Amino acid sequence: GESVGLHLPTLSVQEGDNSIINCAYSNSASDYFIWYKQESGKGPQFIIDIRSNMDKRQGQRVTVLLNKTVKHLSLQIAATQPGDSAVYFCAESGGSQGNLIFGKGTKLSVKP
Amino acid sequence: EAGVAQSPRYKIIEKRQSVAFWCNPISGHATLYWYQQILGQGPKLLIQFQNNGVVDDSQLPKDRFSAERLKGVDSTLKIQPAKLEDSAVYLCASSLLRGPFSGNTIYFGEGSWLTVV
Repeated sequence: GESVGLHLPTLSVQEGDNSIINCAYSNSASDYFIWYKQESGKGPQFIIDIRSNMDKRQGQRVTVLLNKTVKHLSLQIAATQPGDSAVYFCAESGGSQGNLIFGKGTKLSVKP
Repeated sequence: EAGVAQSPRYKIIEKRQSVAFWCNPISGHATLYWYQQILGQGPKLLIQFQNNGVVDDSQLPKDRFSAERLKGVDSTLKIQPAKLEDSAVYLCASSLLRGPFSGNTIYFGEGSWLTVV
């Protein structure tokens, strides 16, 4: 079975609010994690990544948090916009020789 | 910079027929991946090429799926004969080096949508 899963299949937020998308992973050997955004009819788009030697990484309006103790990953989106509406996937890898394993995704809907 | 190109975008075939998907990766990317994404699920790796060699095809159903990357650039994924459960989006992706790791982003194409009826 898949080693990466998501707590919530759907998330609805008001425009301008912050969004938090969660992900649990089961492989303690995973050392690299990525968040992808997939809009309807398109391929996954890289958002942000984090290595296992970090616990936080920030990008433009996005922050990824990694808690290795409980094997939990989260994506925070600040000031969520309608263009953020998409399915978000977390993915994990066990290193440069490993595969990228995706979770099932969380659908984010932004209400205007 | 041009992205990963895939064709056809949509294909409907009957079960037991064959289908082929084409992928042109980002220029200069040595590693090419084919993923299968079933509706409502995350992508699953089918096969990974490093230049024109296969480095991982452990999840490719080899009795019906085949893929090649003869000149180390374009790639073709074939399904023959197709089954109903093959209905999915077939995503091609590429990266500069064999990944994934920080700094070696894997870029995806828009996918080829297959419906088997």
